[in-house]
Amino acid sequence: EPEVTQTPSHQVTQMGQEVILRCVPISNHLYFYWYRQILGQKVEFLVSFYNNEISEKSEIFDDQFSVERPDGSNFTLKIRSTKLEDSAMYFCASSSGRGNEQFFGPGTRLTVL
Amino acid sequence: QKEVEQNSGPLSVPEGAIASLNCTYSDRGSQSFFWYRQYSGKSPELIMSIYSNGDKEDGRFTAQLNKASQYVSLLIRDSQPSDSATYLCAVNSGANAGNMLTFGGGTRLMVKP
Repeated sequence: EPEVTQTPSHQVTQMGQEVILRCVPISNHLYFYWYRQILGQKVEFLVSFYNNEISEKSEIFDDQFSVERPDGSNFTLKIRSTKLEDSAMYFCASSSGRGNEQFFGPGTRLTVL
Repeated sequence: QKEVEQNSGPLSVPEGAIASLNCTYSDRGSQSFFWYRQYSGKSPELIMSIYSNGDKEDGRFTAQLNKASQYVSLLIRDSQPSDSATYLCAVNSGANAGNMLTFGGGTRLMVKP
């Protein structure tokens, strides 16, 4: 069964460093998303991406964040200068259409020291 | 501000019983509704989607939607200890709100052998 994959599973970084989180969405899906979940809190939407551009973003997704689809399979989230409060699980998701079911990857646990 | 509310639990049921999980949402324009299961430290796993009023059954799971009352529920029949997890309600508010999912805080379900 097709699934979303994410790498790395765990990333530890120093405050102020740049990190890139990688995702491979399900191959025939057209919509891609990033969500995050701070420990013990709700899953929060960050950004959605369709047709090679951001279609929607939340207030969390400020200038420190960017997304890219560098090739036909990968979808990345970059945090330019990490803060302590960026420590969270970051989930990539994909869907085949607007409003359709979103399937989540296993997540990357980001720890900012 | 779109809100999705769930009782945090824990909801404790004996093995073989029916577990009933509830969710309310604030945006009357919401169009797509999803239930995810999340084991501790893992990513959300899609269980059910429902788009129109009424019931939708899939195996031991039944999702119920009442748009007039802005209420979604999930019934789990013949509950098993392996069903013990946090159940997340997620709502997509439709065309004007794009594709983002708004999640509730989850209900922790404990199924006791």
